[in-house]
Amino acid sequence: DIQMTQSPSSLSASVGDRVTITCRASQTIVTYLNWYQQKPGQAPKLVIYSVSSLHNGVPSRFSGSGSGTDFTLTISSLQPEDFATYYCQQSYSKFRTFGQGTKVEIK
Amino acid sequence: EVQLVESGGDLVQPGGSLRLSCTGSGFTFSYYEMNWVRQAPGKGLEWVSYINTGGSTIYYADSVKGRFTISRDNAENSLFLQMNSLRVEDTAIYYCARGDHGGVSEDYWGPGTLVTVSS
Repeated sequence: DIQMTQSPSSLSASVGDRVTITCRASQTIVTYLNWYQQKPGQAPKLVIYSVSSLHNGVPSRFSGSGSGTDFTLTISSLQPEDFATYYCQQSYSKFRTFGQGTKVEIK
Repeated sequence: EVQLVESGGDLVQPGGSLRLSCTGSGFTFSYYEMNWVRQAPGKGLEWVSYINTGGSTIYYADSVKGRFTISRDNAENSLFLQMNSLRVEDTAIYYCARGDHGGVSEDYWGPGTLVTVSS
C-alpha cells in the first residue's frame, strides 16, 4: 500500500493568515494527489484534485503544488469557513489511501 | 444537483451482518465508478472498497476482504455494501463516494450512515 503522511497534524492560525499543509507519499504518485476538507459532523468535500485543480465552487485562495512524492496545500488568506480538517489522498492506485489529517484551528 | 444518500446503518452485535445502500441522483449513475470510505469515531478516513461502472472490477481493503461485498444496481441508481462477520473495529460512519470522470478523485460524497458493532 502507498502510505501518505501529512504534517503538521494540527495548526492554529488567525483569519487572514497564509496556511501551508504538506503531504508526502511513500512512493511516487506522479500527480495523483487530491485534498479534501471535512468539517465536524459533515462528509468530506473535494477541494483540489490532480495536485492543483480546484473542484467546482472552491475559492481561488486554495492552491496546491508538488509532484512525485511531496505535495503542498496552501490557503492564501484563511477565512472563518476554512477552519476544518484537511486530508490528502493518493489516487495513483484504485486502493486509495489518505493522510492522517491536519486540523486547522482558530488561534 | 449531484446527491448521494446512504442508508442501512445500525447497531449490530459482533459476528453479525448488515447491508448498506447508497442511492444516487442528479447524475447518470451507471457512468460513474463508486467507492465506500469509512471513518471510525474521532479517526481519519479509510478507503473500504471500489467498483467500476459495470460491476466487473472490484477491489477491497485488506481489513475487510473476505467479509464485505460491494455491488451495484445501475437500473436502480444504487450501490450496496454487504457486511458480514462484523467486528468491533468496523464501527464507523460509512460514506459512499462517486469517482470522477477521470478516475482521479472522489468528487461527491453522501452524508454517511453510522454502523456500530457492539455487544
